[in-house]
Amino acid sequence: DAGVTQSPTHLIKTRGQQVTLRCSPKSGHDTVSWYQQALGQGPQFIFQYYEEEERQRGNFPDRFSGHQFPNYSSELNVNALLLGDSALYLCASSFSPGTGNTIYFGEGSWLTVV
Amino acid sequence: AQSVAQPEDQVNVAEGNPLTVKCTYSVSGNPYLFWYVQYPNRGLQFLLKYITGDNLVKGSYGFEAEFNKSQTSFHLKKPSALVSDSALYFCAGGDTGGFKTIFGAGTRLFVKA
Repeated sequence: DAGVTQSPTHLIKTRGQQVTLRCSPKSGHDTVSWYQQALGQGPQFIFQYYEEEERQRGNFPDRFSGHQFPNYSSELNVNALLLGDSALYLCASSFSPGTGNTIYFGEGSWLTVV
Repeated sequence: AQSVAQPEDQVNVAEGNPLTVKCTYSVSGNPYLFWYVQYPNRGLQFLLKYITGDNLVKGSYGFEAEFNKSQTSFHLKKPSALVSDSALYFCAGGDTGGFKTIFGAGTRLFVKA
């Protein structure tokens, strides 16, 4: 049973550039959430996708955008990168939206902005 | 606004002793509450969750958590700690009917042999 997979695992970008991170949900899951985890902090909710639509968004600027595909996989895009965007980006999937459903995390994508 | 707090940055315990990692929450309605564990350079692993029902929830690796509505707490416990339990632990929660699961800042657990 494949878990949540994310790519790439590590990447380095320059300030002002754009980045795309990818996520495939756990088998049987249709909902994808993205989190940002800065060093020494807990994961911060970016947004959640269900039925190819953004269902809820956290306190992140519009530079952060996403997409969900018909096969439930998802992308996170960040434009105009800032040094402060350096973090571990975690994708999590669940059987359906709603906080009662357990979310399962991938290993994350480490983004370093220089 | 909903929130989850972990009042201790670090917990130290000797191997074989019981451990407790504290969590308090503030959510509207009936809360959904979770515990996750994170090992170095890894994603978060699900340990257990509370939705409704018994106040003592049993989870993976011998962990359990006690839900206390009057104290708005959801403390993680284990009767006998192992060195391999050393990791970063996160409490998380959300509102009934909501879509956003929010996380505490994390508590680092050190188990000394």
